[in-house]
Amino acid sequence: AQSVTQLDSQVPVFEEAPVELRCNYSSSVSVYLFWYVQYPNQGLQLLLKYLSGSTLVKGINGFEAEFNKSQTSFHLRKPSVHISDTAEYFCAVKEQAGTALIFGKGTTLSVSS
Amino acid sequence: GAGVSQSPSNKVTEKGKDVELRCDPISGHTALYWYRQSLGQGLEFLIYFQGNSAPDKSGLPSDRFSAERTGGSVSTLTIQRTQQEDSAVYLCASSPTSGVRETQYFGPGTRLLVL
Repeated sequence: AQSVTQLDSQVPVFEEAPVELRCNYSSSVSVYLFWYVQYPNQGLQLLLKYLSGSTLVKGINGFEAEFNKSQTSFHLRKPSVHISDTAEYFCAVKEQAGTALIFGKGTTLSVSS
Repeated sequence: GAGVSQSPSNKVTEKGKDVELRCDPISGHTALYWYRQSLGQGLEFLIYFQGNSAPDKSGLPSDRFSAERTGGSVSTLTIQRTQQEDSAVYLCASSPTSGVRETQYFGPGTRLLVL
């Protein structure tokens, strides 16, 4: 069975600082990988996804993530965060032959000035 | 264009009552998913519809939960005899195709509170 571990439940950072949100997964089959963001009282919005090809994936709002197959990780990074990046971030995996997304428990990113 | 919409946005009910939650997917999307987001369990898959195929119900937590999708569009998730542990945000998502590479687009959710 697949599982997703987001290693930090909360990450506080100052504005303009870099940030990394960590995600590790386990699966016995090949998977696709996703990061979603959820702003307060809103649904989930796709930030980026890894399907194949280059292991460095760029998404919206200046975020990027790197797929590391040997370490089964898909960490999310941004070189300089803004107050508006304050939200909850979810890492998710899906079997290449599957349908449902399996989510991590989320990381709350709090950006302060 | 319009995204996935869900209604009601909030629902408060008493333990033992039945509730119905509605999802309107993006027009033309053939695949529809229900997820539940709760404090203790995070985001969990509930059920998946694709066209006229039999739904994948593997995520439904008990037989009190059921869902239907009429005319390949609108979906209703029904919870019978609600329990306090059913309190959660119920999220609906849709995608253009059933292809494994598709992106799921999420609605804003229905926040259910069972007293």
